[in-house]
Amino acid sequence: GAGVSQSPSNKVTEKGKDVELRCDPISGHTALYWYRQSLGQGLEFLIYFQGNSAPDKSGLPSDRFSAERTGGSVSTLTIQRTQQEDSAVYLCASSWMGELGNEQFFGPGTRLTVL
Amino acid sequence: AQSVAQPEDQVNVAEGNPLTVKCTYSVSGNPYLFWYVQYPNRGLQFLLKYITGDNLVKGSYGFEAEFNKSQTSFHLKKPSALVSDSALYFCAVRDSGYSTLTFGKGTMLLVSP
Repeated sequence: GAGVSQSPSNKVTEKGKDVELRCDPISGHTALYWYRQSLGQGLEFLIYFQGNSAPDKSGLPSDRFSAERTGGSVSTLTIQRTQQEDSAVYLCASSWMGELGNEQFFGPGTRLTVL
Repeated sequence: AQSVAQPEDQVNVAEGNPLTVKCTYSVSGNPYLFWYVQYPNRGLQFLLKYITGDNLVKGSYGFEAEFNKSQTSFHLKKPSALVSDSALYFCAVRDSGYSTLTFGKGTMLLVSP
């Protein structure tokens, strides 16, 4: 079956521009997560959506970062006024509900480079 | 708070030898523990998890992990390493009351022929 998909796979942008990253979760998964992976830094949690509940935004590093999830499915992560330190791989994951023991399924990621 | 540590940035092992990738965790409640693997330019793939029950958990590709509550560890093991096991391995923990996983910084496993 189809896994988590993300687009674009690579994005190069200039400092100060806005970017949008897209995630299509596995059909039927109600929980969706965004992470950032920087070289040598592991995975950094950004935001979590669970069904119709208010998202957990506790990991967003600044107010330049925002995300939405339309219709309980596709999600878009937006970074405004990009900075060079935003360069990283952005990973999306989804899971059945948000229960503690459910593993997350990851997409291939979007590599963002801010020049 | 929940945290996880992978004390080794890199583990080197010869093909055919047993391998261990170490992970220790800290939670206030009962831990839910996971191992993921990441191949170059790919997303993370789930390997195995510990929720409750037997301390020895078996997962994909011949990997297993042992939950040790007294040592707060969840080391990943494989009896006989393959060159194709070379990848970046992440340990992750989730505690009750938390929305998501906390990942370690990853351990690069290099298996030489």
